[in-house]
Amino acid sequence: GAVVSQHPSWVICKSGTSVKIECRSLDFQATTMFWYRQFPKQSLMLMATSNEGSKATYEQGVEKDKFLINHASLTLSTLTVTSAHPEDSSFYICSARDPTGVSNQPQHFGDGTRLSIL
Amino acid sequence: AQKITQTQPGMFVQEKEAVTLDCTYDTSDPSYGLFWYKQPSSGEMIFLIYQGSYDQQNATEGRYSLNFQKARKSANLVISASQLGDSAMYFCAMREGRGATNKLIFGTGTLLAVQP
Repeated sequence: GAVVSQHPSWVICKSGTSVKIECRSLDFQATTMFWYRQFPKQSLMLMATSNEGSKATYEQGVEKDKFLINHASLTLSTLTVTSAHPEDSSFYICSARDPTGVSNQPQHFGDGTRLSIL
Repeated sequence: AQKITQTQPGMFVQEKEAVTLDCTYDTSDPSYGLFWYKQPSSGEMIFLIYQGSYDQQNATEGRYSLNFQKARKSANLVISASQLGDSAMYFCAMREGRGATNKLIFGTGTLLAVQP
């Protein structure tokens, strides 16, 4: 079964709206979660690393004020797309890895959120 | 510079045939892990196989095997006896170091189409 749950799976909203996406680790406590963005027919691009109890680490070129990340508990990270515009429409997907696992433990991914801004 | 390179944007394979998806990587970290994920059209990322930099043998998982050539920095995925359900996007990824906080970097992917 799924070990990382992401919600919602699909969002359609008007331009200017803020949208919150949740990512939960179900079977383990994740001090670190990762947020990716994927445009159609492209690869997953890491946006930021979410750190429980501290500030997220953003990749170069990702606007911190645009994509707000909160990792308030060991099982929940949220990504808020603030004042979303059509160019923010994309597939957002989170992942986490069980820190107690062995080194070959893969990152587990949520099912992703398809965001469409009209 | 690209850390993970997948040179095949798309590939066709006949059902029941084997197919190799190429992946090369670049890192100066002696400890790293290489992963292959499958992404069907529905979008979820499905973990297929892992190869550690210190692993002596090539990884195998059912119909999936990894042809790991460390000196060439390549980690090609071999799918044997292709099935129609194997049609999907395949991503090679690398994690440098062993920590759970270490990020995963993806290649550009290869779209595999299995023909009946």
